[in-house]
Amino acid sequence: ETGVTQSPTHLIKTRGQQVTLRCSSQSGHNTVSWYQQALGQGPQFIFQYYREEENGRGNFPPRFSGLQFPNYSSELNVNALELDDSALYLCASSLGEARGLYGYTFGSGTRLTVV
Amino acid sequence: AQRVTQPEKLLSVFKGAPVELKCNYSYSGSPELFWYVQYSRQRLQLLLRHISRESIKGFTADLNKGETSFHLKKPFAQEEDSAMYYCALGGRDDKIIFGKGTRLHILP
Repeated sequence: ETGVTQSPTHLIKTRGQQVTLRCSSQSGHNTVSWYQQALGQGPQFIFQYYREEENGRGNFPPRFSGLQFPNYSSELNVNALELDDSALYLCASSLGEARGLYGYTFGSGTRLTVV
Repeated sequence: AQRVTQPEKLLSVFKGAPVELKCNYSYSGSPELFWYVQYSRQRLQLLLRHISRESIKGFTADLNKGETSFHLKKPFAQEEDSAMYYCALGGRDDKIIFGKGTRLHILP
């Protein structure tokens, strides 16, 4: 069994650029959620994908978008990067219909720095 | 609206003393509550979920719907308990909302 894997681990981008972050779910998990964690804050919910469709979104602008693939891996895309987008981006996967009841398995995150 | 409040940013406790990390929530339906922990240089991991009423690493948490609280407790703190603790709320739409976290520092 493998856990949740995220890539890259660190990334530096310039304001205005676009970025794609990747996540491989834990084996057997079909739901992926993305979170943004700013320094000193708790994780903030961005959106969730279940069976390749977005089924929940937090208070993030449309320039934050995502995809989930048939193998349940996922991407987070951010367009027109702003300095405030600098944060740790966490991917979490969970299993089946009870995904909200039994918690998530988290990846180690991607540290994005926008300069 | 779903909301999780952890009033303490930092809690320092002597080794062997009792620990209580506070968590209050706001939610109109039947919530699912969790505690997550992040040890130094490790990823966020699930510690407890209220639905299973379990004790993990000596920690317990009881859901009090009247007080809308889900405080995390341990009778005797150990040095390895030093970590960042996040209370989290799962709602009808299955997303999980996190509090801002409490850093627990166990003093020798």
